[in-house]
Amino acid sequence: QVQLVESGGGVVQPGGSLRLSCAASGFSFSRNGMHWVRQAPGKGLEWVAFIRFDGSKKYYGDSVSGRFTISRDNHKNTLYLQMSSLRLDDTAVYFCAKEGYTSSSLPDYWGQGTLVTVSS
Amino acid sequence: QSALTQPASVSGSPGQSITISCTGTSSDVGGYNYVSWYQQHPGKAPKLMIYDVSNRPSGVSNRFSGSKSGNTASLIISGLQAEDEADYYCSSYTNSSTPYVFGTGTKVTVL
Repeated sequence: QVQLVESGGGVVQPGGSLRLSCAASGFSFSRNGMHWVRQAPGKGLEWVAFIRFDGSKKYYGDSVSGRFTISRDNHKNTLYLQMSSLRLDDTAVYFCAKEGYTSSSLPDYWGQGTLVTVSS
Repeated sequence: QSALTQPASVSGSPGQSITISCTGTSSDVGGYNYVSWYQQHPGKAPKLMIYDVSNRPSGVSNRFSGSKSGNTASLIISGLQAEDEADYYCSSYTNSSTPYVFGTGTKVTVL
């Protein structure tokens, strides 16, 4: 079955950097686009970034564009999110999610998330 | 890109039906049949309940259904059960520079 396991979260100071990973299994990773979605404590879901199956196209939410970079290694079945210039309002649980098998590419399966806390 | 608008809370008694609305614009909900709905229990990952406006993934109860009219999509939960108490989010494809957007979220309470 589809498994997505995020890692790399932790506590980081404002202005710092962090790289998240998402290990995928149970499906053909190299054939699927992938999302990052985040959820601040007690708040709703916010779409962060999407990468096509082959890495050829990347899209970002307005609040992270220019600071975050999504990437993937299809040989390692792993998705990444490089976060830099972190701000207090980047504090959230970060979920990776697989695109669904429809033209919309909206997420279907989600990981359990990894918590990123930006604090001085 | 602004979040899609959902009611903050909806409640109902066991066995009743409830409807959660998700209002966007012609650039997102109204322009494409690309609306998904997710259920999220506290501390858990979201779970896909409806995709492409009205399609149910395998394994999702047929008590959940979806529809759309104009710029508003709806999730209908019939025969409400205690286990349906959760947060629900809609999401849509958009034709803006940020191609995906989520709704503000709705807390469903079973009375």
